Amino acid sequence: NAGVTQTPKFQVLKTGQSMTLQCAQDMNHEYMSWYRQDPGMGLRLIHYSVGAGITDQGEVPNGYNVSRSTTEDFPLRLLSAAPSQTSVYFCATTPSPGSSGNTIYFGEGSWLTVV
Amino acid sequence: GDSVTQMEGPVTLSEEAFLTINCTYTATGYPSLFWYVQYPGEGLQLLLKATKADDKGSNKGFEATYRKETTSFHLEKGSVQVSDSAVYFCALSDQGGANNLFFGTGTRLTVIP
Repeated sequence: NAGVTQTPKFQVLKTGQSMTLQCAQDMNHEYMSWYRQDPGMGLRLIHYSVGAGITDQGEVPNGYNVSRSTTEDFPLRLLSAAPSQTSVYFCATTPSPGSSGNTIYFGEGSWLTVV
Repeated sequence: GDSVTQMEGPVTLSEEAFLTINCTYTATGYPSLFWYVQYPGEGLQLLLKATKADDKGSNKGFEATYRKETTSFHLEKGSVQVSDSAVYFCALSDQGGANNLFFGTGTRLTVIP
């Protein structure tokens, strides 16, 4: 997981609170994305970005917001946390979009609990 | 749409046993296929990949062959070790798109001495 840094690693939120999960990469990768991992469901794509200033929705975008003002950073914002957003969140990067053979690198994960 | 169907677990094997974890996919075009591994408390690491039909990916004794005719990418290892205990995810990458990954549900493998 070298080069992809996620913070915080653990967080407990109350329902209705907002927060931001940070993701930073120092590999100059164009593509960044956020996944959530839930038991029995694998990883599902929340939002992704193919370059600075460009974002798009994945499979499960509702309740989340992203921005990509720089190549290095791709924060994920929970607007009003709900218990259904209790999950493990992974940030991922790859050098360039559109090249499907490229390896995607994952951060170490952020464990979020909403009570 | 693109999807991955993965053998459900958990799988428990004795050390040195043979491992197969089945993975089939549905995709338009010619996706790249991956196996990722997640050790306890850690993120996902690429285990192996194959980018075109009949390619064989291999790493750390694990192998998987991209079979277009059966739309499969089964993971195999001839002799598992306790250190192979982890969750294994099959995934495909949408070809020509933004390179997003579509994951299977994961298979938890436990190897006992």
